Amino acid sequence: ELKVEQNPLFLSMQEGKNYTIYCNYSTTSDRLYWYRQDPGKSLESLFVLLSNGAVKQEGRLMASLDTKARLSTLHITAAVHDLSATYFCAVDIRRGGSNYKLTFGKGTLLTVNP
Amino acid sequence: SAVISQKPSRDICQRGTSLTIQCQVDSQVTMMFWYRQQPGQSLTLIATANQGSEATYESGFVIDKFPISRPNLTFSTLTVSNMSPEDSSIYLCSVDPRAGFSEAFFGQGTRLTVV
Repeated sequence: ELKVEQNPLFLSMQEGKNYTIYCNYSTTSDRLYWYRQDPGKSLESLFVLLSNGAVKQEGRLMASLDTKARLSTLHITAAVHDLSATYFCAVDIRRGGSNYKLTFGKGTLLTVNP
Repeated sequence: SAVISQKPSRDICQRGTSLTIQCQVDSQVTMMFWYRQQPGQSLTLIATANQGSEATYESGFVIDKFPISRPNLTFSTLTVSNMSPEDSSIYLCSVDPRAGFSEAFFGQGTRLTVV
């Protein structure tokens, strides 16, 4: 059974600092997603990583994927308060034919303090 | 991209009753997915709904408790039956990320509180 482990689960940062969230998964996959969720809201898609070595950046967030190590990272640069949210990674695996399943990590609750 | 409309957005229900959640997609999709997110937790897949066939349920979820309909390629419903306070969660629908979309889109979610 696929396991997706995120760490840390809780992250308190000061504004202006850098930090990385890690997402490890236990079986072969060729798609990895990062989502943001604000309290009481649905999921907002941040990045889709499709291949080994993929790197995507949007604003202060940069995501990368190493399929050989089964590891993805979400790097936060010069954090600002607006980035406070819960961040999830999700791994997409094929279960036969065209049937796929997304398995989510437990999420990282990020709090950016002034 | 896909626009997914989910309703109701929230509800407060009495234990023992049932609630049906609707999910409408603005384009035709083969597979739709229903997730549950318990308070402070991650998302767990309840079932996969294919048009024209019975839904496929994940371990720990059964059809009697979470009946699903999929009458056409743009619409699905999830019913939470005989509710108890443990069913208080956010329920989200999603579409197949590989159905011509670049990512997995989610509906706005239904926040259910059972009292």
